[in-house]
Amino acid sequence: RKEVEQDPGPFNVPEGATVAFNCTYSNSASQSFFWYRQDCRKEPKLLMSVYSSGNEDGRFTAQLNRASQYISLLIRDSKLSDSATYLCVAPNSGGYQKVTFGTGTKLQVIP
Amino acid sequence: ETGVTQSPTHLIKTRGQQVTLRCSSQSGHNTVSWYQQALGQGPQFIFQYYREEENGRGNFPPRFSGLQFPNYSSELNVNALELDDSALYLCASSLEVSAKGGNEQFFGPGTRLTVL
Repeated sequence: RKEVEQDPGPFNVPEGATVAFNCTYSNSASQSFFWYRQDCRKEPKLLMSVYSSGNEDGRFTAQLNRASQYISLLIRDSKLSDSATYLCVAPNSGGYQKVTFGTGTKLQVIP
Repeated sequence: ETGVTQSPTHLIKTRGQQVTLRCSSQSGHNTVSWYQQALGQGPQFIFQYYREEENGRGNFPPRFSGLQFPNYSSELNVNALELDDSALYLCASSLEVSAKGGNEQFFGPGTRLTVL
């Protein structure tokens, strides 16, 4: 199993829609997870941290399911400006403090 | 803005050459991680420096090396460049990493390296 796995998409959704991405991870001991947003040809920017069961920030909700080892990102009332690639991040089992990025899920919000 | 800076922004080299990329971390951050991101892929971990010592390494050959300085800025050196080294190189700074996993990392704008 890959350390972090995401559906690459693309997800094409109309403005105002609700969209959800899932991300599975392999290290059952992981305690902290992150979602980053990356615009084309730019650096990743931290969107949300998830340290317990979930986190909510405005239109964005991240949830953690430890039993099934996945985290999800829900975006409500999608805006055109939400179009980007969303990267899931989880600690890996390398024996030292490093994280693994997923390959990213591309979201395109359509007018 | 994250306060993390990288230089140069773009670089073109030829196969076999050597390159040094630089990163200044966010004020107060003592940990710097370097990533390689190929087109269409997520960032791949190269290595991490914590208080001037390498604190972990990904699956990259020894020709990828690094340094961290007392002010926590960092360098990534790549020797004997290959065509496949063409990528965006990202540096991320953070506070010291927790015992159980990563901490919030803040990325610089990256250096886009092209190897011809």
